Amino acid sequence: KNEVEQSPQNLTAQEGEFITINCSYSVGISALHWLQQHPGGGIVSLFMLSSGKKKHGRLIATINIQEKHSSLHITASHPRDSAVYICAARTDGGSQGNLIFGKGTKLSVKP
Amino acid sequence: KAGVTQTPRYLIKTRGQQVTLSCSPISGHRSVSWYQQTPGQGLQFLFEYFSETQRNKGNFPGRFSGRQFSNSRSEMNVSTLELGDSALYLCASSLGVSGSLETQYFGPGTRLLVL
Repeated sequence: KNEVEQSPQNLTAQEGEFITINCSYSVGISALHWLQQHPGGGIVSLFMLSSGKKKHGRLIATINIQEKHSSLHITASHPRDSAVYICAARTDGGSQGNLIFGKGTKLSVKP
Repeated sequence: KAGVTQTPRYLIKTRGQQVTLSCSPISGHRSVSWYQQTPGQGLQFLFEYFSETQRNKGNFPGRFSGRQFSNSRSEMNVSTLELGDSALYLCASSLGVSGSLETQYFGPGTRLLVL
């Protein structure tokens, strides 16, 4: 069993729909990251959170430390949101090195 | 401010050769991390450098090595290439002073194909 599990693996939505991507982890963490990877490979760091909730534009990330679960929500989805979304758990407060990545959720938003 | 740059963007090598990839971090960033991404394994951490010192290393064989220069630019080297080394190699930079709670900024990656 992977230490960081994402669901679903693939997601197709219609433009305007509300989208939720889930991430569960089995290790103790100091922070959880959400990354976005567009076709071609470029990765953008969306959120880094250790508790509660963060919002940036149409994106919202939440984390429940007790349940070891995080969600990424996209409101009013748009075709430009089509990308792979990756969650990554950081296992201690040290260097960048202890990031464990999920396998990613491939999102496709149809116009 | 210029982003993280990686060179070359694409590379084709044959088994047994060696390869060197380069990463220039955002100006002022002192931490550079390297990652390997393959379809089967996803993203995996290779190593992190801070102020010319390797701060952490992932679970990769000794054929994978790296270094960081005084201007924070970093290189990674893979010797005796194997077919399984075909991957997207990403580097990311951060300030390096706040440990795990810093945002990392990723480069576009170098896509390596080993034939």
